[in-house]
Formats: sequence, structure tokens, C-alpha cells
Amino acid sequence: GQQLNQSPQSMFIQEGEDVSMNCTSSSIFNTWLWYKQDPGEGPVLLIALYKAGELTSNGRLTAQFGITRKDSFLNISASIPSDVGIYFCAGPWQAGTALIFGKGTTLSVSS
Amino acid sequence: GAVVSQHPSRVICKSGTSVKIECRSLDFQATTMFWYRQFPKQSLMLMATSNEGSKATYEQGVEKDKFLINHASLTLSTLTVTSAHPEDSSFYICSAQSGSTYNEQFFGPGTRLTVL
Repeated sequence: GQQLNQSPQSMFIQEGEDVSMNCTSSSIFNTWLWYKQDPGEGPVLLIALYKAGELTSNGRLTAQFGITRKDSFLNISASIPSDVGIYFCAGPWQAGTALIFGKGTTLSVSS
Repeated sequence: GAVVSQHPSRVICKSGTSVKIECRSLDFQATTMFWYRQFPKQSLMLMATSNEGSKATYEQGVEKDKFLINHASLTLSTLTVTSAHPEDSSFYICSAQSGSTYNEQFFGPGTRLTVL
């Protein structure tokens, strides 16, 4: 079945550093979504990508939809302590269906 | 906009009892809602897809008679865990999808279920 491979699994960085994480799939996706989940909370949508090659920013976050439609990356610039959490990539199996999630990247930021 | 609520946020129950979890879309109509389960340090796993006015579609390995889903309106879906056992203890999260943001799903804050 469809799988999303997300890496790295975890990251430990200093405040102010930039972060990059990515997601790859064995199949083509028409939508890539990036979520952040804080402990004990539901995921919150950060960025949605709908077009191959699309580069979208949301504040210090930037995400790109790969040209092959089989990958996406998320960058966080100038990290701050509140960036701590688990970041998930996700995509719908088919348009309008449930999301398939990557295994998540756990980000730790030390000040 | 696009706010999804869940109630309760946390529940502790005895083994053998049933627990109902509500998922509401507060400012939009959700044609489809999804129920996920998340174990500690793991990703979200889809349990079922719920469409308003029709029977839910369950993922393989999820017992439909144990996890009853009702989607009676465009703003409310409920998940009832029947005869709960300790292995059902988990974080249950719903998401809602509106017709206007077809592939975007908005998640509720989750419900922590602990079965003693």
C-alpha cells in the first residue's frame, strides 16, 4: 500500500538554527500537507501544497512540492523554542479520502 | 475558521464499559469525518471514514461492532468504544473535511482514553 517515508526521525538543534525535513513516496501524490502536533493535541495544518514544483511559505516555514510529485520538504528557519513538536507530512490516498501520514519528525530546540 | 472540537478531552473508564467521543466541526459543514488512533510515539492510524447519513467505512483490522461510528449531521460525528478494554487505551483524534477545501483536513484536539 501507499507509504510515506519521512526523515529524519528526530532532530536536536540550537535555537536560531535552520531545520529541514523531507518526505518521499513510492507513488505520486496530488497533495502534500505538513502538520505539527504538540504533545496531547491534535495535528495543526501548517502548509498545504497542491501543485508540482509549488513553493509555499508560512512565516518561517517553507515547503515545496517535488517536481516528480513523489516528495516534499519542509524548512524551518531561525528556529525558536516553540517550534518543538512532532512534524508530520501527509497526503490523501485519493482526492477527498483519508490522509496517509509519515512517521513524523520529532524536533527538539535548545535555547 | 476550520475549527474542530472533540469531547471529552480525557476519559478514564473501567474495563467493560462503553465510552462515547464526539467530534464537531464548529464553523463549517463536514461532508466527511475521519477517526484516527495514535499510540505513544507513533503516527496517526486511520480507523474509519464517516460520511454524513451513511455507514462508516472501517479500515482493515478495526472491529466495526466495537468502534461504533455515527455521523448524523454535517457537523457531528460520534465514536463509541463498546466494552472497552485496557488495550483500547489510546489517543483518539477526529478530522473533518469540508467540500471547499477538498484535500485539507482539520483535526480535533484529540481524546485521551484510559481503560483501567
